[in-house]
Amino acid sequence: DTGVSQNPRHKITKRGQNVTFRCDPISEHNRLYWYRQTLGQGPEFLTYFQNEAQLEKSRLLSDRFSAERPKGSFSTLEIQRTEQGDSAMYLCAIFTGGQAFTGELFFGEGSRLTVL
Amino acid sequence: AQTVTQSQPEMSVQEAETVTLSCTYDTSESDYYLFWYKQPPSRQMILVIRQEAYKQQNATENRFSVNFQKAAKSFSLKISDSQLGDAAMYFCAYRSVGGTYKYIFGTGTRLKVLA
Repeated sequence: DTGVSQNPRHKITKRGQNVTFRCDPISEHNRLYWYRQTLGQGPEFLTYFQNEAQLEKSRLLSDRFSAERPKGSFSTLEIQRTEQGDSAMYLCAIFTGGQAFTGELFFGEGSRLTVL
Repeated sequence: AQTVTQSQPEMSVQEAETVTLSCTYDTSESDYYLFWYKQPPSRQMILVIRQEAYKQQNATENRFSVNFQKAAKSFSLKISDSQLGDAAMYFCAYRSVGGTYKYIFGTGTRLKVLA
């Protein structure tokens, strides 16, 4: 069964506060991704996990951002000292299927961040 | 680095008509995958159709088909018999064969379907 649950769905915070988003795949998937989507743009890659190892980070992921995937199941994305430019939809996705040519990227519904 | 370009920010189509969404990409790789994703308003992104670059034949999925021109690095999506439920943002995406399976997305095309 394929599914990705993201929480919270919407977070409103004041500039300078810390926020954390959580991604829970329904079943075990080795590959997990975080993307950011701003208004009118396509998803932009932030980071990639293979099991619990964070193997790639985008330059978009400043030192205020940290992501973890303990035990290779759920993942968290924390943003410290939020800025208004962090306002976006944060999407979690998993790669389904064991084969490269048959698998696909499956997205959660996203966590929308609004920084006031 | 690979890039994906969607030059049509918005398109409109009459219900039951056909519309084509454009996508171009740039890569130095010879083998890769291309995708079209649909994102309805306030809903999650879902895969519409995929194309393997090594396949000459264009992919089709019911009312959705692609026109893949490898030499021109063009990958357009044709939606036939458009339905109101097709209204959404459509994103073209590229993925390398190996590595992290990271997807690179275009900026999207908003499709409006007129009744």
